[in-house]
Amino acid sequence: QKEVEQNSGPLSVPEGAIASLNCTYSDRGSQSFFWYRQYSGKSPELIMFIYSNGDKEDGRFTAQLNKASQYVSLLIRDSQPSDSATYLCAAYYGNNRLAFGKGNQVVVIP
Amino acid sequence: EAGVAQSPRYKIIEKRQSVAFWCNPISGHATLYWYQQILGQGPKLLIQFQNNGVVDDSQLPKDRFSAERLKGVDSTLKIQPAKLEDSAVYLCASSWLNFYEQYFGPGTRLTVT
Repeated sequence: QKEVEQNSGPLSVPEGAIASLNCTYSDRGSQSFFWYRQYSGKSPELIMFIYSNGDKEDGRFTAQLNKASQYVSLLIRDSQPSDSATYLCAAYYGNNRLAFGKGNQVVVIP
Repeated sequence: EAGVAQSPRYKIIEKRQSVAFWCNPISGHATLYWYQQILGQGPKLLIQFQNNGVVDDSQLPKDRFSAERLKGVDSTLKIQPAKLEDSAVYLCASSWLNFYEQYFGPGTRLTVT
């Protein structure tokens, strides 16, 4: 069973602050990881992927991967009200398949 | 490019009834997925097709759920008979062959009463 854990409760951050989300995964064989954003009542959309140890930056988003600790994180800098959503972490485990975590809700307070 | 289409968007049925959902993937996408997303949880893969063959259906409750993808394009997912715990959003997604990014449709919200 491929497990992806996202255990934090809803995260409230003031506008302009940094939101930090964490995710752990069980399968050491997983090589690639994805962050999806899901607005309430909408379908998930891909915002970041990472497959190498270290940091990957894309605009206000930074993904971090530590394969030794089986840990993935997402930082959202200069948080905006439009970033209020649920963020899903997913691990790739071959044949185009993804295992998703339950998600972390982010609320950006103006 | 047109996105993944799903219908219906909403469905309310009574337990023990049957229901079917339809999905039309992005043109050219060989791989099609059906996910179940229960409120407050992440999507759970039910079945994955590559063209019209099944790649993974290990989490599909085969006693009540069935799916097909005729001619490697459209797909239908059926539940018969439905249970209360089947209340969820059913998401269809598609991707290019051997490519990681999955594009999701708007989903069908099923309520079983």
